[in-house]
Amino acid sequence: QQQVKQSPQSLIVQKGGISIINCAYENTAFDYFPWYQQFPGKGPALLIAIRPDVSEKKEGRFTISFNKSAKQFSLHIMDSQPGDSATYFCAASEGGKSTFGDGTTLTVKP
Amino acid sequence: KAGVTQTPRYLIKTRGQQVTLSCSPISGHRSVSWYQQTPGQGLQFLFEYFSETQRNKGNFPGRFSGRQFSNSRSEMNVSTLELGDSALYLCASSYGTGLARGTEAFFGQGTRLTVV
Repeated sequence: QQQVKQSPQSLIVQKGGISIINCAYENTAFDYFPWYQQFPGKGPALLIAIRPDVSEKKEGRFTISFNKSAKQFSLHIMDSQPGDSATYFCAASEGGKSTFGDGTTLTVKP
Repeated sequence: KAGVTQTPRYLIKTRGQQVTLSCSPISGHRSVSWYQQTPGQGLQFLFEYFSETQRNKGNFPGRFSGRQFSNSRSEMNVSTLELGDSALYLCASSYGTGLARGTEAFFGQGTRLTVV
């Protein structure tokens, strides 16, 4: 049973555009929702994270939107740049144990 | 400040053998978590250690084990290797009591294990 569903699997965006990646979860006990960015040959790096008592969090060009009732959260990358091309993972955590989405490969075309 | 160091970076083993992977967390970090990353299964949680105690465990067979030392360094062992164990094994360290407890976690570059 996949507890965190991530979509789309891949995304191509023009430079300057908005990239949107969505995740849905089932376990209402999840209490921490981070997003990770991974470049080839590197480990994932924490990008931004949110707790369920907040509906939105913004850090620079990256924004998480969180809908607790729908059990969904999304990552928005504004003014997408070629350097943002990477694989993005959402995760949901409960008590020290994290479940990851399958990842979204983002390509930003110049 | 040095990052999370995983050794070795690459490893080739034969089916049936065992392997030990090492992770040195960032200085001062007491929590280490291990993950398996494969193209088909994505990132899957293996286990988490804090102060030499295993705090959480994922759904992996008993062939996968780990430990943490008093200096917070951690090792992961896989016995009786199978072809399906081929993957990138990642460890992450954080100051707090786990990846999910609101403390920023830092991943190493991983150990690429190939089982032939």
